[in-house]
Amino acid sequence: AQTVTQSQPEMSVQEAETVTLSCTYDTSESNYYLFWYKQPPSRQMILVIRQEAYKQQNATENRFSVNFQKAAKSFSLKISDSQLGDTAMYFCAFMSPGGTSYGKLTFGQGTILTVHP
Amino acid sequence: DAGVTQSPTHLIKTRGQQVTLRCSPKSGHDTVSWYQQALGQGPQFIFQYYEEEERQRGNFPDRFSGHQFPNYSSELNVNALLLGDSALYLCASSLSVGEGVETQYFGPGTRLLVL
Repeated sequence: AQTVTQSQPEMSVQEAETVTLSCTYDTSESNYYLFWYKQPPSRQMILVIRQEAYKQQNATENRFSVNFQKAAKSFSLKISDSQLGDTAMYFCAFMSPGGTSYGKLTFGQGTILTVHP
Repeated sequence: DAGVTQSPTHLIKTRGQQVTLRCSPKSGHDTVSWYQQALGQGPQFIFQYYEEEERQRGNFPDRFSGHQFPNYSSELNVNALLLGDSALYLCASSLSVGEGVETQYFGPGTRLLVL
């Protein structure tokens, strides 16, 4: 079974600074996909970024980028130029295109990020 | 373009009762997945529906059942409610593709409180 671990329950950062959220995972699959989702307080979960394991290039989406280390099974999220609207719970998630994980997102425990003015 | 919608937004039930939650997928999506999110935790996968059939199921008891309609909307039913069923129930929709993995888009959730 796949597991996803987020070892930072809470993080804080000053507005305009950079912060990195950590995520590690465990799987025996060779082909899989990794995601970061953001869940603002009392608002719905939205996709931040997605990474295909077969791609060596790290995904980027504007101020959000990932550091994907396949051998280490590590998938961290870097947020540059942090904004107050980035305050949210961030979840790392895993899915594989086959086997018992097909169609099923496995989430980590989440990291609460607070951006201070 | 309407996103994923869920109803009701909040619900209060008592132990032993039954509840039905509803989800309409994002326009163009044909697959619906349901997740349970306890307070302060990550969502846990309940099951996924595609072509009106349950395609994948997580580690939830048979008290949790679902249905998908021809218009791709879905219902989650929970029988014999327990206090531990209190949670935010999230619906996610996606478009099934031949290969690879489809990104799931989430609705706002239904907050269920069991007293």
